[in-house]
Amino acid sequence: EVQLLESGGGLVQPGGSLRLSCAASGFTFSSHSMSWVRQAPGKGLEWVSSITGSNGNTHYADSVKGRFTISRDNSKSTLYLQMNSLRAEDTAVYYCAKLVSDWGQGTLVTVSS
Amino acid sequence: DIQMTQSPSSLSASVGDSVTITCRASQGISNYLAWFQQKPGKAPKSLIYAASSLQSGVPSKFSGSGSGTDFTLTISSLQPEDFATYYCQHYNGYPFSFGPGTKVDIK
Repeated sequence: EVQLLESGGGLVQPGGSLRLSCAASGFTFSSHSMSWVRQAPGKGLEWVSSITGSNGNTHYADSVKGRFTISRDNSKSTLYLQMNSLRAEDTAVYYCAKLVSDWGQGTLVTVSS
Repeated sequence: DIQMTQSPSSLSASVGDSVTITCRASQGISNYLAWFQQKPGKAPKSLIYAASSLQSGVPSKFSGSGSGTDFTLTISSLQPEDFATYYCQHYNGYPFSFGPGTKVDIK
């Protein structure tokens, strides 16, 4: 059974940084692309970033490009999202996903002073 | 970038009804289209991939069709647990994008 467990969310001030982690199990992590998807309060789903399994190529939404960095440690089956220069509009539940099949339970990031 | 639209944005239906949700891509995406169900306060659940293939464990009451730019999700014989918000998502190259969602509630 695929399991994706996010951690690292919390309250951070505007301009601050946060690193999210996603521990994966139940599948061959290194063989799969992984993604982060977010959902602002009361809003729809927004794709944030993806990283390929083999060569680690990365892709970002324009809204986070230059501020967020996705990475992975295949030896630990763990996905990361380093978020810098955070803004109020980054407030959301962040989901780790093995698109298009499996989702984590999400971790809440709140950017507020 | 590819934009995804959905219609209707919301609909009301009764238990036992069948409903159809439409998803449209701003340019052709072949069959690189997925559907998700989300209930309040919960993570999305994957229903369909490749436009019409059912994810493992998803009941056959859910069905998807389409190719190119126009896609549909049909839910037959609605049950109380089916009332939720449904999203489509393309994965025909980056950036991926989601539709705005269709909320299905009880009439």
